[in-house]
Amino acid sequence: GAGVSQSPSNKVTEKGKDVELRCDPISGHTALYWYRQRLGQGLEFLIYFQGNSAPDKSGLPSDRFSAERTGESVSTLTIQRTQQEDSAVYLCASSLAGLAAADTQYFGPGTRLTVL
Amino acid sequence: QKEVEQDPGPLSVPEGAIVSLNCTYSNSAFQYFMWYRQYSRKGPELLMYTYSSGNKEDGRFTAQVDKSSKYISLFIRDSQPSDSATYLCAMSAGSQFYFGTGTSLTVIP
Repeated sequence: GAGVSQSPSNKVTEKGKDVELRCDPISGHTALYWYRQRLGQGLEFLIYFQGNSAPDKSGLPSDRFSAERTGESVSTLTIQRTQQEDSAVYLCASSLAGLAAADTQYFGPGTRLTVL
Repeated sequence: QKEVEQDPGPLSVPEGAIVSLNCTYSNSAFQYFMWYRQYSRKGPELLMYTYSSGNKEDGRFTAQVDKSSKYISLFIRDSQPSDSATYLCAMSAGSQFYFGTGTSLTVIP
């Protein structure tokens, strides 16, 4: 497809379990972002990948959160030992060059994570 | 204090009305200002972006930035039922983006 895709679309897990969320960016986009959107709140920046540079992890809320990206392709966001406060929609976005807002971010539909 | 403040609404207007959506911010380093539209169960899509202060118009949409007041606005003219969505403001000074909570808008036919 032409857009950013994310999987799964929905994930229900039990507290304490690990989850892995996947993002397929638009082909050729060098920049990739992960955000968290809690109910009634704005998007919260988590992590940013730009090409082969070291990722900007400054938004990750705790060491239970980690993300990887292989080259300029798929990214996975892993949450270990999930907690109920991790329940949110996790959004991925990609852009052509990551030159701040001058470069349009295209968002995927998100993964809705529910931690019971 | 949050980096970006946005009234969550909800806002309900009749079709054809002019809609005004606003955000305030605290970080004077922000240079890029954006408005995104998000339909239910979808990711946000960029509507408009503005660099520094000034106005930008695109069809029925006008974005305004007043850096001296740290205040940005989005105006929608001749609002349509298809404009019903959540509108999020966002701003950045580098690779990180800061989003408002979003304002839920309903345009009633």
